[in-house]
Amino acid sequence: NAGVTQTPKFQVLKTGQSMTLQCAQDMNHNSMYWYRQDPGMGLRLIYYSASEGTTDKGEVPNGYNVSRLNKREFSLRLESAAPSQTSVYFCASIMDRVGYNEQFFGPGTRLTVL
Amino acid sequence: KNEVEQSPQNLTAQEGEFITINCSYSVGISALHWLQQHPGGGIVSLFMLSSGKKKHGRLIATINIQEKHSSLHITASHPRDSAVYICAVPNSGGSNYKLTFGKGTLLTVNP
Repeated sequence: NAGVTQTPKFQVLKTGQSMTLQCAQDMNHNSMYWYRQDPGMGLRLIYYSASEGTTDKGEVPNGYNVSRLNKREFSLRLESAAPSQTSVYFCASIMDRVGYNEQFFGPGTRLTVL
Repeated sequence: KNEVEQSPQNLTAQEGEFITINCSYSVGISALHWLQQHPGGGIVSLFMLSSGKKKHGRLIATINIQEKHSSLHITASHPRDSAVYICAVPNSGGSNYKLTFGKGTLLTVNP
């Protein structure tokens, strides 16, 4: 099992450019999450998806859109990148059953917006 | 939303020392997570516990539900334990499982 995979690992964008971060898991997990990690702050939830076809906003959703294409894949899109979106982005997934909520994280995407 | 406080923020130790990292939270929870992140690296789950104590190798996690407090201990610390250790708890309310994360404790173990 590959676990949670993310692409790309690194990306540099100019202000106003768009891009999509891809995430996939092969553990048959129900819930998937996108977080951003900034220096001095804890991981913050951008969006999450409790099941295929459903998505909900997290703590910091502005400037982002998501798509839960199927049970395996959950993508994060920046429509018009801004320097404030420079961050490390992590995708994660859980089974979302009582006692089975261990979080599995992808390797992260380091994004710089100039 | 649950509030999570970790202490200390930074910790430097000599190889072989016993390490303790603390986590406090504001609202009662079903389980608490301890995560590890090596510099420039990904995040891995160390423990998920809802009561008592769990042990994995040299790592021990304890939780006191009444006091809303958890500790992560590392026995016989080693330079390879140098990492950021993150505590996370579920948000209160709602039907979906969402976590609030502490800011992390940066541990440096010197040889």
